[in-house]
Amino acid sequence: DAGITQSPRHKVTETGTPVTLRCHQTENHRYMYWYRQDPGHGLRLIHYSYGVKDTDKGEVSDGYSVSRSKTEDFLLTLESATSSQTSVYFCATRPREDQPQHFGDGTRLSIL
Amino acid sequence: AQSVTQLGSHVSVSEGALVLLRCNYSSSVPPYLFWYVQYPNQGLQLLLKYTTGATLVKGINGFEAEFKKSETSFHLTKPSAHMSDAAEYFCAVSDPYDKLIFGTGTRLQVFP
Repeated sequence: DAGITQSPRHKVTETGTPVTLRCHQTENHRYMYWYRQDPGHGLRLIHYSYGVKDTDKGEVSDGYSVSRSKTEDFLLTLESATSSQTSVYFCATRPREDQPQHFGDGTRLSIL
Repeated sequence: AQSVTQLGSHVSVSEGALVLLRCNYSSSVPPYLFWYVQYPNQGLQLLLKYTTGATLVKGINGFEAEFKKSETSFHLTKPSAHMSDAAEYFCAVSDPYDKLIFGTGTRLQVFP
């Protein structure tokens, strides 16, 4: 798992509340990613980071924001959660562009 | 732009039988190709990758895949299925300095 810890592992919350998911890595990898996994869609990229304070949007970024103030932490925030954001969220890291991504164990988020 | 198509969302085999999971890709540049495996309630684990060089790639757990440029395919095979191979498998494509694009996944069931 390349030293990736996602927290929390499970969360249930209500529509309209803010939610922050944390990804912490111990391998000093430069690149970090947030994906969501939904049945029939595989994994879709939400946001990614290629260094401290350097982030960019992925395929499904609407309704999400990210921050990376330290190499080891990449935060995903849902400013006002909606039921369509119920999903399993995965963080991934990789050290260089030519290396494969390593994945955390995921956060299961339910928005009621 | 890159894309991936996995043929068959579910594949069932008997223990000891050949496993064949199909993946076709589209890429405007020479692709990097990956197969990942996901066990229940876990993140994705890299099975194997193709970047350059030999077109037959061997991975972990006895899996291998062959890159066929003329067919734009990267099918995953294993000669003899084991019960422990039951999982979801994802094919992914990336150009050398881009993000991963995942297929929608194939769930492999292995029957005794």
